[in-house]
Amino acid sequence: DTGVSQDPRHKITKRGQNVTFRCDPISEHNRLYWYRQTLGQGPEFLTYFQNEAQLEKSRLLSDRFSAERPKGSFSTLEIQRTEQGDSAMYLCASSPRDGGTDTQYFGPGTRLTVL
Amino acid sequence: AQTVTQSQPEMSVQEAETVTLSCTYDTSESNYYLFWYKQPPSRQMILVIRQEAYKQQNATENRFSVNFQKAAKSFSLKISDSQLGDTAMYFCARISNFGNEKLTFGTGTRLTIIP
Repeated sequence: DTGVSQDPRHKITKRGQNVTFRCDPISEHNRLYWYRQTLGQGPEFLTYFQNEAQLEKSRLLSDRFSAERPKGSFSTLEIQRTEQGDSAMYLCASSPRDGGTDTQYFGPGTRLTVL
Repeated sequence: AQTVTQSQPEMSVQEAETVTLSCTYDTSESNYYLFWYKQPPSRQMILVIRQEAYKQQNATENRFSVNFQKAAKSFSLKISDSQLGDTAMYFCARISNFGNEKLTFGTGTRLTIIP
């Protein structure tokens, strides 16, 4: 396995701009998760997919946030009209099976800075 | 809310010593999973150890072991013979076994191993 990869690793943007992040899970992992981590805090759940279906979204995921996993492989997380409060590390994780409770494997994250 | 509490924001220990990180959690479920994740500086989060709540035996992974006290809802991590590479943020996390697959994390403990 090559591990979970995320792109870009760092993103600096101006308030009001749109940004899109990509996550490539470990191959054959059916479940994919997005978390947000602010400085000094643990990651907080945003949303997750089983294959291409988005099964749960957190209240943290406002209308400005949208996530997709069109073919059940990679996923994108888009933030529209960014705000300074969106500055955080965005983590992606994947796990291998349908159903059950498997270990989630994390990517390196995308650090977003909104100026 | 299903919370995870880590009451030690920072800890430090001399190399080769043993250190124990504390974690308590809140749940109304009888079966769930508990995890310790390690996040080294500027590196991605990796799984240290995992415990299934229905198993009475404490999990062990080489120098890492847990003390799982189900009645007390306590899940501490013991690191034996600590090494410089153990320096990291350590997050305790839980997940339920019935449909809610998201990880709920504590706020973390910053562990520094002193040479």
